[in-house]
Amino acid sequence: QVQLVESGGGMVQPEKSLRLSCAASGFTFSGAGMHWVRQAPGKGLEWVAVIWYDGSNRFYADSAKGRFTISRDNSKNTVYLQMNSLRAEDTAVYYCVRGFGQYYYAMDVWGQGTTVIVSS
Amino acid sequence: QSALTQPASVSGSPGQSITISCSGTSSDVGGYNHVSWYQQHPGKAPKLMIYDVSNRPSGVSNRFSGSKSGNTASLTISGLQADDEADYYCTSYTSTSTPYVFGTGTKVSVL
Repeated sequence: QVQLVESGGGMVQPEKSLRLSCAASGFTFSGAGMHWVRQAPGKGLEWVAVIWYDGSNRFYADSAKGRFTISRDNSKNTVYLQMNSLRAEDTAVYYCVRGFGQYYYAMDVWGQGTTVIVSS
Repeated sequence: QSALTQPASVSGSPGQSITISCSGTSSDVGGYNHVSWYQQHPGKAPKLMIYDVSNRPSGVSNRFSGSKSGNTASLTISGLQADDEADYYCTSYTSTSTPYVFGTGTKVSVL
């Protein structure tokens, strides 16, 4: 079945780095735009980053620009989020999401999420 | 890019209809038909309920419907059921440097 499985979350100190991975299955990954969306404890959803199906375009939220990098390996059906210079406010559940439609704006398949805690 | 504005909470009795609003600007909701809605139960991942303002994905109940007027989109839940109790978020494509924006979220309570 269509599935996204995130991994790589954990507890990390401020200013350190972490890389999240998301393994896709059950659909043609190389044709899908992919997002990362996060949710801080008790807060709403925040879009983080998107990558086009072929990696040709990548866009970031202002909060992620310059610190986070989204990438993908279509041979491994995997999308990544490299997070550097982490801050306490980056503490959240990070969801990997498949986008569809124009600009991949609609998000129809969500992973179960991986938790990132930034704390000293 | 500021978040789209939703009411913090909406409530209704079983069987009633409720409407959740999602207010934006001409740079997002008002400028595109790229509005979608998501349902999120506690501790669960969000679920797509509506896309392209008013389209339902396969498997979503026809009790859920969407519309848009000007810079405001709306989600209506008719025949309210206990399982509809959840948080709901709208999102829109935007013409700003941040191409996607979520709403502030609405907690729906079934009395």
